Amino acid sequence: DAMVIQNPRYQVTQFGKPVTLSCSQTLNHNVMYWYQQKSSQAPKLLFHYYDKDFNNEADTPDNFQSRRPNTSFCFLDIRSPGLGDAAMYLCATSRVAGGGQETQYFGPGTRLLVL
Amino acid sequence: QKEVEQNSGPLSVPEGAIASLNCTYSDRGSQSFFWYRQYSGKSPELIMFIYSNGDKEDGRFTAQLNKASQYVSLLIRDSQPSDSATYLCAVNTPGNQGGKLIFGQGTELSVKP
Repeated sequence: DAMVIQNPRYQVTQFGKPVTLSCSQTLNHNVMYWYQQKSSQAPKLLFHYYDKDFNNEADTPDNFQSRRPNTSFCFLDIRSPGLGDAAMYLCATSRVAGGGQETQYFGPGTRLLVL
Repeated sequence: QKEVEQNSGPLSVPEGAIASLNCTYSDRGSQSFFWYRQYSGKSPELIMFIYSNGDKEDGRFTAQLNKASQYVSLLIRDSQPSDSATYLCAVNTPGNQGGKLIFGQGTELSVKP
C-alpha cells in the first residue's frame, strides 16, 4: 500500500544532542511537509519541500533544518534540542494539483522526548 | 484574530445523535477545506475535503461550506463511541509551491454510549 512512513516512532534524546527524524513516502508526491504538534495544539508547519525547493516558515527556529535527498525521503534535523522541542513531529505529503486543492496525507508521527 | 478558529470543546453527544463541528476562517482567498480526525497520540487522518459552496456527503459525514460567511462545518450522523476524537479543521492557503494548510485548534468530540 502507498503510504507515508516515519522513523523512529519514538525518539528520546538528551538536551543539546542532535537528532534526526526520517520520513519516506511511496506515493510519489512532489511536496513533503514537516509539522510540529504539541499537546492539545494544532499542528504547526515548520517547512516544506516542493520538489527540491525548500520553503521555510518565517517563525521556524534556526535549530530546525531539513534535507530532501530524493523524491521519497525527507529528514528533519534538530541541531540542539531543548526541552521545549519535545513534541510530536508529523510528516505529510501532497501532490500539487493546482487550484489550491492539494490534499495532505500524514505519516504516523515521531514522538520526541528531550531529557 | 486566529486564521482558523474552532471551539475546543469538549463536545459531548450521546451515541446515535448528530454531532455538529464548526470552523471559521479569516482568509477569503482560501480555496479548499479539510476535516481531519485525530485520535489521542496518533496522527491526523483525513475525513473529508470540500471545495465548493454547499454540502458534501460521505457516509455518516457531511461537510458544509459557506464561503460568503467564511464558515465550514462537519456533521456526523449516528455518532458512535469510536468517533470520539479531536477533529481538526484545515484551510488551504494557495501558493505557488503547493500552498499550505492552516489548522484550527481542533474540537474534542466525546460520544457517550
